[in-house]
Amino acid sequence: AQSVAQPEDQVNVAEGNPLTVKCTYSVSGNPYLFWYVQYPNRGLQFLLKYITGDNLVKGSYGFEAEFNKSQTSFHLKKPSALVSDSALYFCAVRSYGQNFVFGPGTRLSVLP
Amino acid sequence: NAGVTQTPKFQVLKTGQSMTLQCAQDMNHEYMSWYRQDPGMGLRLIHYSVGAGITDQGEVPNGYNVSRSTTEDFPLRLLSAAPSQTSVYFCASSYSRGDAFFGQGTRLTVV
Repeated sequence: AQSVAQPEDQVNVAEGNPLTVKCTYSVSGNPYLFWYVQYPNRGLQFLLKYITGDNLVKGSYGFEAEFNKSQTSFHLKKPSALVSDSALYFCAVRSYGQNFVFGPGTRLSVLP
Repeated sequence: NAGVTQTPKFQVLKTGQSMTLQCAQDMNHEYMSWYRQDPGMGLRLIHYSVGAGITDQGEVPNGYNVSRSTTEDFPLRLLSAAPSQTSVYFCASSYSRGDAFFGQGTRLTVV
C-alpha cells in the first residue's frame, strides 16, 4: 500500500532564510512524487514532480525537491523564503496507473 | 482551456437532503477523482474513475455515489446528507502518471 508522511504539522521560518518541508513515502514499484501548494480558500496547485532522472527537481516559484531513494524521502526546499510562500503544502505519491496518496499537509509560515 | 471546473463553490444542506456536485474537465484525462479535505487529515479519496464507464471506491466512499458516462464529466452524489459530510470537496483529473489538476473546491455544510 502507498503512504505518505509529513512529519511536521507546522514549519516556521524567517523571510530570507532557507526552508525545508519534509516528506517520506512508501510505495511498491517506482514512485512518482509530487508537491502541491494550497493557498486559503483555493484548490491545490502543482509545484513540482519527480518521475525519473535527476534526483534534484526544480519547480515553480523557486522551489526544488530532492528525491532520495535510500531514505524514501522527497523534501521540498527553497533557498530564500518569502512571506508569500506561507501556505499549506502537500506531498503526494502515486505509482503508474494508481491513485494519488496525499500526506496530511504541512503549514508553512514565513515570518517577516 | 478551462482545466477542471467544479460547481457549486458553496452549498448548505439540511440533514437527509441529497445533492450532486458537478465536475468537468476539458483535458481529455482518463483519470478523475473526488477527494474530501478535513483539517489535519489531508485529502482523502472518495471515489475515482480510470475512464468512461469505470468507477471504483476510494478510502471513504460511504454515503457517496459517482458515475462516469463521458470522459469529461464526473459528478459526485450525496445520497442522504449527514453532518459528518461537512467538508471541502475537490475534484481532480490526470493522465496515468502525470500530475493532477484540481478544481477550486466545493465547501459543503450539512446542518
